[in-house]
Amino acid sequence: DAGITQSPRHKVTETGTPVTLRCHQTENHRYMYWYRQDPGHGLRLIHYSYGVKDTDKGEVSDGYSVSRSKTEDFLLTLESATSSQTSVYFCAISEKREGPYEQYFGPGTRLTVT
Amino acid sequence: DQQVKQNSPSLSVQEGRISILNCDYTNSMFDYFLWYKKYPAEGPTFLISISSIKDKNEDGRFTVFLNKSAKHLSLHIVPSQPGDSAVYFCAARGLNYGGSQGNLIFGKGTKLSVKP
Repeated sequence: DAGITQSPRHKVTETGTPVTLRCHQTENHRYMYWYRQDPGHGLRLIHYSYGVKDTDKGEVSDGYSVSRSKTEDFLLTLESATSSQTSVYFCAISEKREGPYEQYFGPGTRLTVT
Repeated sequence: DQQVKQNSPSLSVQEGRISILNCDYTNSMFDYFLWYKKYPAEGPTFLISISSIKDKNEDGRFTVFLNKSAKHLSLHIVPSQPGDSAVYFCAARGLNYGGSQGNLIFGKGTKLSVKP
């Protein structure tokens, strides 16, 4: 199994509060991703990183920011959480972004915004 | 517009029979297709992939078929086992010209139930 951990695994927070989710990898992979999974929507990319301090937006980036100060850590921040951000969040890593190189996923963080 | 579509939200199959999960795509610039399997409360795990220059890839009980002219791929599981019960996601990757093309685009998933 790829060495990916996510913390926290579960979180309940109130609308308007800031929330930070952490993804940590031990594989030294260059690329890291944050997805959200919602019923009827599958997996949607929020942000991704192609190196330390190099990040870019995905399909559903509004309301989210990310940071990557070290190869092994990728943080996802909800500056002011809303109920629409209640979801399951998955971090993924990959060695490359071409050809057959698959992404490896972490176990997920279930976030509930009340 | 959805670029990767899995039109069947669910599929129920008897143990030992064949499971066929379908996926359609709209972008002819996709060059690799991947299937992921997801159990409840776990992250998705990679299952099998296929290059756009091939029409079939096989790995044990799992075979993926690609029909480029129809922009359609399917995952066959033979024989199906109760442990195969999970949500299956189809994903596509574009040619890596840089930017976002190297990212995966996922379908909405199909929930497979294999009954003993």
